[in-house]
Amino acid sequence: SAVISQKPSRDICQRGTSLTIQCQVDSQVTMMFWYRQQPGQSLTLIATANQGSEATYESGFVIDKFPISRPNLTFSTLTVSNMSPEDSSIYLCSVRALSEQYFGPGTRLTVT
Amino acid sequence: DQQVKQNSPSLSVQEGRISILNCDYTNSMFDYFLWYKKYPAEGPTFLISISSIKDKNEDGRFTVFLNKSAKHLSLHIVPSQPGDSAVYFCAATYSNSGYALNFGKGTSLLVTP
Repeated sequence: SAVISQKPSRDICQRGTSLTIQCQVDSQVTMMFWYRQQPGQSLTLIATANQGSEATYESGFVIDKFPISRPNLTFSTLTVSNMSPEDSSIYLCSVRALSEQYFGPGTRLTVT
Repeated sequence: DQQVKQNSPSLSVQEGRISILNCDYTNSMFDYFLWYKKYPAEGPTFLISISSIKDKNEDGRFTVFLNKSAKHLSLHIVPSQPGDSAVYFCAATYSNSGYALNFGKGTSLLVTP
């Protein structure tokens, strides 16, 4: 399996500001994913971030709102830009390793 | 549109008995299914998976059954233990989707002593 850490674990942010979430993996992986879990909802894929290429965003998510960096095979960042209360969610980093997908502990974001 | 559905938000089972968690899906392209377990303040932990070429996969106390014609899968936990108390998510994907997972909303399992 892969061990994934995320920073910060939680944050409370003001409307209109931006937050960058970091994801670190203990091994080199090609495929990384960012998911969101809004209160009472299932996990929803935001984008796929493969090293060496632009992130691929799912329907309803755009690069201007959720810019992603993937500088190497063990690290990625997701920025939540110009936040509104609707962005209050748990954001989870995920990687594909050994034919399965593993998840980080998540970043709990509250926007006031 | 929710393509993976877990219609039971919660389930309570006595320790030692069988826990059965159900999941339905609507997209016939899905060919790989996974179950995850999630404790509060932690990320989902992979439990068990099944390919559409099988109808059963076992791993210790956990067994997943797949009924393709009914677009239904279930996770059986036998015997249930108090440490199994968590939220269980069903997820599905298909080969050409880039491994994007579609999740259900989860079922909260409580195993009582």
